[in-house]
Parts: sequence; C-alpha cells; structure tokens
Amino acid sequence: LAKTTQPISMDSYEGQEVNITCSHNNIATNDYITWYQQFPSQGPRFIIQGYKTKVTNEVASLFIPADRKSSTLSLPRVSLSDTAVYYCLVGDRGRDDKIIFGKGTRLHILP
Amino acid sequence: NAGVTQTPKFQVLKTGQSMTLQCAQDMNHNSMYWYRQDPGMGLRLIYYSASEGTTDKGEVPNGYNVSRLNKREFSLRLESAAPSQTSVYFCASRPGTYTPESSYEQYFGPGTRLTVT
Repeated sequence: LAKTTQPISMDSYEGQEVNITCSHNNIATNDYITWYQQFPSQGPRFIIQGYKTKVTNEVASLFIPADRKSSTLSLPRVSLSDTAVYYCLVGDRGRDDKIIFGKGTRLHILP
Repeated sequence: NAGVTQTPKFQVLKTGQSMTLQCAQDMNHNSMYWYRQDPGMGLRLIYYSASEGTTDKGEVPNGYNVSRLNKREFSLRLESAAPSQTSVYFCASRPGTYTPESSYEQYFGPGTRLTVT
C-alpha cells in the first residue's frame, strides 16, 4: 500500500469547484487510486477510483497525471452537504487486502 | 439486500467488562474488516479477514479478538474493555482480491458507538 499525503483541512464556498490533491510518490505499477467520502456519524462511502488520466462520475472527477505520483479529486459546484472528510487510498486492488485509511482531508463548505 | 449490518448501534461498558460486536454482510463478499474511529480522527484498521477461515492483524489489534464465523459474519470481541477503547467501530466488506470484481470499494456498516467508563 503506497503512502499518501493530503491536506489536513480545506475551506471553500458554496457553488465553487473544490480540488483536493493527494501525493503518492511511491505508487506501484499495479496500484489504483481510490477516494472515499465520510459524512459525520457515518461510515465512509466510495466515490471514485482511477488508474490514469481522468475518470468522471456523477459525484466527482479524478485527475491523474502521466507520472501518477499525485492525483486530484475535483468536486464541481459544491454545496453545504459536501462538507465531509475525503480520504485518498492507493493500492493494488487485486492483491492488497490490508486497506488502511490515512487522516483524510476535512472539507468545510461555507455559505 | 441490507448490505453490511452491525449490532448493537450503541453500547456502554464498564472497565473490565467484555462484549462482542457483530457484523454481517449479504453481498457474498470474501473480505471483511473492522475499523475504529476516535473523535476527530481517521479510521484505523483493527483486524481484517481476506476470506472465510483467515484473519490478520491491522494497525491496532491489541485488546481485540476477531472471529470469521462464516462468509457472512465477522465479529469483534473486547475481552476486558478499557476507556481507551471508547470509539466508533465500523465493519466493512468488499468482494476481495483475485476476483473479477477486485476493487478498493468497501461497503461500510452504520457503526457501533462504544463508550467505556
């Protein structure tokens, strides 16, 4: 499991696009990048996963540069309900069973 | 399809008491996990089970034991509770490794809020 580094916290305003960057310098060839979202008093929820370039779904976009040493989770036009903790995980989804979460990024959306 | 269920939802224990937290999933997943989350902190892995019949230590296994009773159920036992074990406990499951559905997508239960006085 590759070590990841992400900001401890971020503030943004409603309606803005929010980008959270995760650094993973020792990512391995078979590793995928996965992001989770956790609302207060709930378990984490998977939001997006990718290997390279760009992945988009109804919740977020994930941008991965060619060297794959970092990735950026992009949340378009956030609302107050996007206030949550966001976790970046990197690992070989076909081999790694020991899944460890870091401290995550606390995103606080302001009105 | 209930997903991952956990019982109880809340529990208060006195120091030294024991209890078992129950977790069950109905998605036919191979891998199951127990995490704890202290207030304002990230999740920490206690134990995990890659498949029925196997269990492995996570980051913080001391003071806990687990049983993978069958493919559906994975229980966490506190033999002698301590105030430091006050936390929210989450169970999770995922299809597992070496399967066509291999993914880091874990499915989490609603959590058990445990207070040890």
